[in-house]
Amino acid sequence: GQNIDQPTEMTATEGAIVQINCTYQTSGFNGLFWYQQHAGEAPTFLSYNVLDGLEEKGRFSSFLSRSKGYSYLLLKELQMKDSASYLCAVRDQDRDDKIIFGKGTRLHILP
Amino acid sequence: NAGVTQTPKFQVLKTGQSMTLQCAQDMNHEYMSWYRQDPGMGLRLIHYSVGAGITDQGEVPNGYNVSRSTTEDFPLRLLSAAPSQTSVYFCASSYSKDRGNTEAFFGQGTRLTVV
Repeated sequence: GQNIDQPTEMTATEGAIVQINCTYQTSGFNGLFWYQQHAGEAPTFLSYNVLDGLEEKGRFSSFLSRSKGYSYLLLKELQMKDSASYLCAVRDQDRDDKIIFGKGTRLHILP
Repeated sequence: NAGVTQTPKFQVLKTGQSMTLQCAQDMNHEYMSWYRQDPGMGLRLIHYSVGAGITDQGEVPNGYNVSRSTTEDFPLRLLSAAPSQTSVYFCASSYSKDRGNTEAFFGQGTRLTVV
């Protein structure tokens, strides 16, 4: 089966850095996604990792370690608009490449 | 470029009624899926399709039917609505795995209440 774990909630300060962790267990790992979802809106794509290492995209970076079943999303220079839920999702090639989501991490940014 | 169009945006049903949530995409994506999102539960996969004529069950398929007669459309049918199906529903589409990075594009969601 699949199991994806991430913290339920986190709080950080405007201008700071925050790291959101995601651990997963899956039989046929074939990529990990991070999405951002503001309250009442649809999720939007942030990043995709299929190989080990760090992918940087502006203020956001995502890291993957396949051997450890671990990923993190790093947000730098936090802004108030970064207050949102961050969803970790894994694609399983043993199951027709279904994409399964974790429960999401609600990030609160304090001024 | 419309992307993923999902209708309706809001719906109230009585227990036992049936209805269809519509989803259409204009990006020629092979992969389409339906999720429901409940507080504290994240996005849970209901049904998905890897191409026209092919559908399969996700994590929580009971009480829902899907069909994929064309590449563009992937409707979700509630056969006999129950209060437990009160939720926010999202349709998503993406290219198949063979194209590499397959980010999913989501519709705007349907907020369904069953009374």
